[in-house]
Amino acid sequence: AQSVTQLDSHVSVSEGTPVLLRCNYSSSYSPSLFWYVQHPNKGLQLLLKYTSAATLVKGINGFEAEFKKSETSFHLTKPSAHMSDAAEYFCVVSGSAGQFYFGTGTSLTVIP
Amino acid sequence: IAGITQAPTSQILAAGRRMTLRCTQDMRHNAMYWYRQDLGLGLRLIHYSNTAGTTGKGEVPDGYSVSRANTDDFPLTLASAVPSQTSVYFCASSSTGGAWNSPLHFGNGTRLTVT
Repeated sequence: AQSVTQLDSHVSVSEGTPVLLRCNYSSSYSPSLFWYVQHPNKGLQLLLKYTSAATLVKGINGFEAEFKKSETSFHLTKPSAHMSDAAEYFCVVSGSAGQFYFGTGTSLTVIP
Repeated sequence: IAGITQAPTSQILAAGRRMTLRCTQDMRHNAMYWYRQDLGLGLRLIHYSNTAGTTGKGEVPDGYSVSRANTDDFPLTLASAVPSQTSVYFCASSSTGGAWNSPLHFGNGTRLTVT
C-alpha cells in the first residue's frame, strides 16, 4: 500500500531565505513521486516529478526535491523564497493501479 | 489552451437536489479522476476511470456516481446532495494513470455548497 505524510502543516519563512517542505512516503515498490502547488482558488500545478534516472529532481520556479530511498523521503527545497511562493504544497505518490495518494498539504507563508 | 475544463465554477445547492459536475479534457488522456478537497484533509479520491467505458471507486465514493462514455468527458453526479458534500471538487487526468511517472493535470475546481 502507498501513503504520504507531510510532516508540517504550516511553514513560515522570510523572503530570501531557504524553503524546506518535508515529505515521507510509504510504498511497497519503487514509486512515482510528485510535488504540486496550489495557489488560492486555483487548481493544482505540477512542480516536479521523480523519475528513477536521478535522485535530485529540478522543477519549475527554482524548486527541487531529493529522493532518498533509505529515508523514504522526498523533501522539497528552494534556496531563496519569493513572495509568490506563498501557497499550499502537496506531496503525491502514485500506486500500482494508476491511483494517486496525496499528503494533507503544507501551507507556506512568506514573510516580507 | 489544452487542459481540463470544469463547470460550473461554483454552485449553491439545496439539500436533496441532484447535481452533475462537468469535466472535459482535450489532452486525450486515458485516465480521469474526481477528487474532493476539504480543509485539513487534503485531496481525497471519489471515483476514477482508467479508460473510456470503465470506472472505479476511490476513497470516498458514497453519494457520488460517474460515467465515462468517451475519452474526453467524466461527469460527477450527486444524486441527492447532503450538506457533508459541501467541498471543492477537482477533476484531473493522466495519460497513463500514474505509471511511468505520468503526472496528474487538474482543472480549476468547482466550489459546491449544499445548504
